[in-house]
Amino acid sequence: SQTIHQWPATLVQPVGSPLSLECTVEGTSNPNLYWYRQAAGRGLQLLFYSVGIGQISSEVPQNLSASRPQDRQFILSSKKLLLSDSGFYLCAWSSGGRGEQFFGPGTRLTVL
Amino acid sequence: AQSVAQPEDQVNVAEGNPLTVKCTYSVSGNPYLFWYVQYPNRGLQFLLKYITGDNLVKGSYGFEAEFNKSQTSFHLKKPSALVSDSALYFCAVRAVSGAGSYQLTFGKGTKLSVIP
Repeated sequence: SQTIHQWPATLVQPVGSPLSLECTVEGTSNPNLYWYRQAAGRGLQLLFYSVGIGQISSEVPQNLSASRPQDRQFILSSKKLLLSDSGFYLCAWSSGGRGEQFFGPGTRLTVL
Repeated sequence: AQSVAQPEDQVNVAEGNPLTVKCTYSVSGNPYLFWYVQYPNRGLQFLLKYITGDNLVKGSYGFEAEFNKSQTSFHLKKPSALVSDSALYFCAVRAVSGAGSYQLTFGKGTKLSVIP
């Protein structure tokens, strides 16, 4: 069966520090991968999605970036965090572009 | 552009009573529709989907949803609510083809509280 992992589970970082969040998927190959941010426990904002290694589409201009160095690894990064980057970050995968997405457990990021 | 509306921020229902969480959507062409549930500080869990076929879709934990094309709605229902159903529910839509067909667009979520 397929599983999706995210780490760390929680993170507290000062403003201006770098960020690296990691997401890995097991039990499937060539998944579509997604990064979302959820603010204030409500709506989800799609940040990035990837249909293959090295292929990243950005949905929102911001100081975040994403990379996909391996087929089942998706990384969310920032060189300098802003207060507004605080939130709950969710990684998801889908098999192809048509089916449902399956979500990881999330990372709670607090920028102070 | 595709969009989803969940008109109720919160729904309260007594345990044992039927529940409905409303969702309407807008998309070019035919939609794929989804419901997810989120418990506090957890990821989203997939409940059910409509792709094609029977308008009444059955999913996990006794939930079902009815696709109504003329009303562009996909309301989530359960005949008898449990206290453990209390959570945040998200409706999502994806276009079958064309621009945006790789993306799920989510509603803002509806908080369901089941009162013992």
